[in-house]
Amino acid sequence: NAGVTQTPKFQVLKTGQSMTLQCAQDMNHNSMYWYRQDPGMGLRLIYYSASEGTTDKGEVPNGYNVSRLNKREFSLRLESAAPSQTSVYFCASSVNRDRKGHSPLHFGNGTRLTVT
Amino acid sequence: ELKVEQNPLFLSMQEGKNYTIYCNYSTTSDRLYWYRQDPGKSLESLFVLLSNGAVKQEGRLMASLDTKARLSTLHITAAVHDLSATYFCAVGSTGANSKLTFGKGITLSVRP
Repeated sequence: NAGVTQTPKFQVLKTGQSMTLQCAQDMNHNSMYWYRQDPGMGLRLIYYSASEGTTDKGEVPNGYNVSRLNKREFSLRLESAAPSQTSVYFCASSVNRDRKGHSPLHFGNGTRLTVT
Repeated sequence: ELKVEQNPLFLSMQEGKNYTIYCNYSTTSDRLYWYRQDPGKSLESLFVLLSNGAVKQEGRLMASLDTKARLSTLHITAAVHDLSATYFCAVGSTGANSKLTFGKGITLSVRP
């Protein structure tokens, strides 16, 4: 069972280039998330999708766009990469609420992005 | 806006000793999670705490939640090297949305 799969694992971009980070989950989860992790900053939410067909901004959405392609896939796009977007990006998924009232996040392995 | 604070941000622990780390949050929440991250790896879920007074234990780690104080503690008993990692707490916003807000993480290093 793959869980949450992110591609690519590593990427180096030049300032101004664009790219799309891919994320897919096979757990039939409703909600999907993109976080970025920077040293000393913890994880900050970029965008999330509570269900197929909906997306919402998180804490740090500027410079990013997302697409919830279907229930399984949630992509993150950088239209014009900047050095400030150098980070580790994590995709995660969860059910909205289970019967116990909690919805743990399941994380992918991360994408390490460097923008020069 | 929900804010989550963890302290200390770094803790050097001696093998065999006990320690406690803390997670404070700013607004009402109905769930709190602890995650572990090893260097260069993804995040692994450790505990979920859903109610005031909840206590969960796994091996040398015990987590508790005081919703009135908006505080969770993670107690480490007889630290061992394998516990060296970064520990994050994450707090859920109320309502149907599952969005979590993470603290900055506490890096634990266990020395002989």
